Amino acid sequence: GAVVSQHPSWVICKSGTSVKIECRSLDFQATTMFWYRQFPKQSLMLMATSNEGSKATYEQGVEKDKFLINHASLTLSTLTVTSAHPEDSSFYICSASPQSAGDQPQHFGDGTRLSIL
Amino acid sequence: QKEVEQDPGPLSVPEGAIVSLNCTYSNSAFQYFMWYRQYSRKGPELLMYTYSSGNKEDGRFTAQVDKSSKYISLFIRDSQPSDSATYLCATSSGGYNKLIFGAGTRLAVHP
Repeated sequence: GAVVSQHPSWVICKSGTSVKIECRSLDFQATTMFWYRQFPKQSLMLMATSNEGSKATYEQGVEKDKFLINHASLTLSTLTVTSAHPEDSSFYICSASPQSAGDQPQHFGDGTRLSIL
Repeated sequence: QKEVEQDPGPLSVPEGAIVSLNCTYSNSAFQYFMWYRQYSRKGPELLMYTYSSGNKEDGRFTAQVDKSSKYISLFIRDSQPSDSATYLCATSSGGYNKLIFGAGTRLAVHP
């Protein structure tokens, strides 16, 4: 149980393109999902907390106009990297916790490797 | 000072060895502790989670939390080559929401 699916797993695109990444909880509902960024051989850094039906909460230093988050349903959150540039190239990972289980740890998707040329 | 300190390794051990992975943290408000395993180019996989102090065992894995010294450990018994991965400790104060991760320790188990 507690499976989180992320799509696409890898995307390469030209500078200036906008890229959308989807995060789905497959076997549970999640009012809250999280988006992380990970650089090579470094740990995960929380970018934002995605709340179903309301605005996302961004961490300090994360541009909300650059990284648009939409959490339209209890099983889907999307991250759109707008007007992507090479410095946005990274590994983006989402996570979610089961909605109704109280104190439950986060389960992660397999990440999206984004390469901006 | 980072909130969670973890030696990045790499740690290389022979198959069958007992592996000890550790993290220290600075914030005494942290109550929730997790260990994740991450294979290359994959997302983290939850291994163990505990609340407050104490030990928790699951198969070959044992997680320990010592809140008095702000020290968390993961022990792997009878290590296997398939255990080769990066192990991330994580903690938080307000439930399992805003997680603070360690840098991750790269483990290599050789046959």
